[in-house]
Amino acid sequence: EAGVTQFPSHSVIEKGQTVTLRCDPISGHDNLYWYRRVMGKEIKFLLHFVKESKQDESGMPNNRFLAERTGGTYSTLKVQPAELEDSGVYFCASSQEWNEQFFGPGTRLTVL
Amino acid sequence: SQQGEEDPQALSIQEGENATMNCSYKTSINNLQWYRQNSGRGLVHLILIRSNEREKHSGRLRVTLDTSKKSSSLLITASRAADTASYFCATGGPGGKLIFGQGTELSVKP
Repeated sequence: EAGVTQFPSHSVIEKGQTVTLRCDPISGHDNLYWYRRVMGKEIKFLLHFVKESKQDESGMPNNRFLAERTGGTYSTLKVQPAELEDSGVYFCASSQEWNEQFFGPGTRLTVL
Repeated sequence: SQQGEEDPQALSIQEGENATMNCSYKTSINNLQWYRQNSGRGLVHLILIRSNEREKHSGRLRVTLDTSKKSSSLLITASRAADTASYFCATGGPGGKLIFGQGTELSVKP
């Protein structure tokens, strides 16, 4: 069974540009979470989907971030326009039960 | 503020030594989990300990949980250079989201 996959693994963009990160959860997992680790600090929750609905987006830092989950399958996280402080590693996780989250390998975003 | 505060923030040891990392949290929990992140790579789930458990082992890992003190510790025995990574504890929040601590940067020197 395939695990959670994320694309790209690494993205380098300039300030002001747009980047879209993608997460493919484990098939059948209704819950999808986005987290990020910025500048070697703690890992922070961004948002939670249940199927295609946003259950909790309290961790989204500002309106430059837009997340979608089309048809309750894969999810995208768009940053537009990107700022320097957005650099970090973005993790996606999926789960069927609340206690068992499976993480993807992460996308390392570098904003120059 | 964030649950899962950890100490030390950084730990440097020699191969073969044991490494102990501590984590404290603030609210009641159903379980506490430990994760590892190798430099530039993804999060790896290490171990989950439930609130009714006091100690759990997995290979060279030993986790303890003291719900009265709202704290947990992760012990890595006979450390190896490959154990060099960031270690995080995490507790479950509303909706199942995980609340991570600041992490401990472990460096194991060969």
